[in-house]
Amino acid sequence: DTEVTQTPKHLVMGMTNKKSLKCEQHMGHRAMYWYKQKAKKPPELMFVYSYEKLSINESVPSRFSPECPNSSLLNLHLHALQPEDSALYLCASSQGTGNGYTFGSGTRLTVV
Amino acid sequence: LAKTTQPISMDSYEGQEVNITCSHNNIATNDYITWYQQFPSQGPRFIIQGYKTKVTNEVASLFIPADRKSSTLSLPRVSLSDTAVYYCLVGDMVTGGYQKVTFGTGTKLQVIP
Repeated sequence: DTEVTQTPKHLVMGMTNKKSLKCEQHMGHRAMYWYKQKAKKPPELMFVYSYEKLSINESVPSRFSPECPNSSLLNLHLHALQPEDSALYLCASSQGTGNGYTFGSGTRLTVV
Repeated sequence: LAKTTQPISMDSYEGQEVNITCSHNNIATNDYITWYQQFPSQGPRFIIQGYKTKVTNEVASLFIPADRKSSTLSLPRVSLSDTAVYYCLVGDMVTGGYQKVTFGTGTKLQVIP
């Protein structure tokens, strides 16, 4: 298995909702990442987990809460989001140099 | 983190070779150079990675001069399906096993029939 799987592919949520994005990889990669991408912009790093521990939080608002239950899973819990949080949320994993990141296809989030 | 600079956009006809250059003047000794391709509403896809000189795989070549302050992604004989945004990233595998990189603005390649 050489893929990163993200669910759901699309999500519409209200500003008072609580939802979660899920990411799964079975390549044995020990680093996993969340990126946010707005239209026509490059991906922006949000969080990095290394060996299931949070290594980087790029000053992301607390309404985004990451979780790494085990080495294959990465969640992003969402609560009280704003319309400007609407974006493509990308999960990625990596293991050493030579092959870079493997990205999932993303979750298209719309906050209404 | 090393900052990268790429052309915002490029046009090319089908069947031509396309070269996209990336500038990274403050690249560090341990940094690798990696290129990704991204189609709309999809995650970026790894194309190629290198440290110095030339690297070639089944889809592209990467040329890195001796000073490593720039790199050139070469796509041979492009087709319409190569229309995408191409990102150059520079970064290192830090202690803890993760890569610390930042995406630049990318180059929008439009292939023309």
